[in-house]
Amino acid sequence: EADIYQTPRYLVIGTGKKITLECSQTMGHDKMYWYQQDPGMELHLIHYSYGVNSTEKGDLSSESTVSRIRTEHFPLTLESARPSHTSQYLCASNPAGGYEQYFGPGTRLTVT
Amino acid sequence: QQQVKQSPQSLIVQKGGISIINCAYENTAFDYFPWYQQFPGKGPALLIAIRPDVSEKKEGRFTISFNKSAKQFSLHIMDSQPGDSATYFCAASKGGSYIPTFGRGTSLIVHP
Repeated sequence: EADIYQTPRYLVIGTGKKITLECSQTMGHDKMYWYQQDPGMELHLIHYSYGVNSTEKGDLSSESTVSRIRTEHFPLTLESARPSHTSQYLCASNPAGGYEQYFGPGTRLTVT
Repeated sequence: QQQVKQSPQSLIVQKGGISIINCAYENTAFDYFPWYQQFPGKGPALLIAIRPDVSEKKEGRFTISFNKSAKQFSLHIMDSQPGDSATYFCAASKGGSYIPTFGRGTSLIVHP
């Protein structure tokens, strides 16, 4: 099983709140990713990072931001949560030169 | 524009039957084709992957068939078991980019 962790696993929060979803991996992987997963399953890439101080936006427009100050840590922040942000958020990583993605267990976010 | 088209969206088979999920891609630069398996409440995990220099890869009950000329690949699950009930994603990656393009997923239910 991959050593990639996400906290919290479940979060219910009110509209307008600021939240940070945590993602950490102990595998020393350079590349990390955040996906938003629809209830209907499809995965949408929202942010990725190829290393420390490197962050890029993905294919899906998102109001979230990310940071990569340490190799092992890739948090995602929503400055002002809205009901449209209700979804599952998956963090993933892969090693240098490797295509396989290792996923965390996900954070299920509900914004009321 | 969806670069990897996956079908069917859902699939129900009886225990012991064969499950077949198909994917078609458009970009001939793709050179790595993985399948991921996702159980409820978990992140996706790599199940099996293939490169375009081979037409078939088998791991236990799971087989990928790859047709380069048709730009299609499929996952076959032989002797399907209730424990195989999960969502399956195909994906494709190209050299130099480690970001996979995912299919939309197939929800497989295997009835006992």
